[in-house]
Amino acid sequence: GENVGLHLPTLSVQEGDNSIINCAYSNSASDYFIWYKQESGKGPQFIIDIRSNMDKRQGQRVTVLLNKTVKHLSLQIAATQPGDSAVYFCAENMGIGAQKLVFGQGTRLTINP
Amino acid sequence: NAGVMQNPRHLVRRRGQEARLRCSPMKGHSHVYWYRQLPEEGLKFMVYLQKENIIDESGMPKERFSAEFPKEGPSILRIQQVVRGDSAAYFCASSSQGKNTEAFFGQGTRLTVV
Repeated sequence: GENVGLHLPTLSVQEGDNSIINCAYSNSASDYFIWYKQESGKGPQFIIDIRSNMDKRQGQRVTVLLNKTVKHLSLQIAATQPGDSAVYFCAENMGIGAQKLVFGQGTRLTINP
Repeated sequence: NAGVMQNPRHLVRRRGQEARLRCSPMKGHSHVYWYRQLPEEGLKFMVYLQKENIIDESGMPKERFSAEFPKEGPSILRIQQVVRGDSAAYFCASSSQGKNTEAFFGQGTRLTVV
C-alpha cells in the first residue's frame, strides 16, 4: 500500500505486505530528517534518520528514501506486522545551528490480519 | 540506561491554576526539547534548552509559559493560569548533541484543564 503526500492520512495494508508512507517537507535547506512511530497513548519512538548528503538509508525492515529535488521523504516498511500499526511522523530539522524538529501531519498505518 | 522520564503522566488542573511538568533527559544528554501535541495532530515545537540556557523558545507562547533546565535536576515546563486551550499532551525529548542527532522522546504528560 502507498499514500501520496499528506492528503491520505490513513493507510491500511495486509499483514506481510510492504507499506510505503510518504512525506513532503517544506524547507529545502533542511539537512536532517527523522521518522517516528507513535502508538496510542505513548511518546514518539525513533525509527530511522537520514542526512541530506544521502538519498537512502536502511534499517531493520525499514528503508528511508530522500529526494531533495522535490522535497520528498518516504518510509518503507517491509513485511508488515500487527505491531507496526501506529501513526508515523516525519520530522525535518529546521534549526540553524541547533535542533528544531518540525513534524508533519502524520499517517495512521493499520495492519489488517 | 533509562530513557527520557516525564512526570506526572496525567495532570488535571482547574482553570487559573498552575501546571508544572517535569522532564529528566537520558543519561549523558544535555539538550532538552519540549513539544505540544493536540489530538490527531503532529507535535509542535515549543522550546529547546541546554543546561541552564534557553537556546530557542520561538514556539512557546509569550505569556504564561516558561521553561527551565537547571544545572541540577530535571527540566521544568511551567504553565501559569491555565486555560482550557492548554489541554494537550506535552512531550519532552533529549539528545546528546544540539544538531542533527537522534532525539528520544518521553511518554509525555497529558494535561487536562477543567
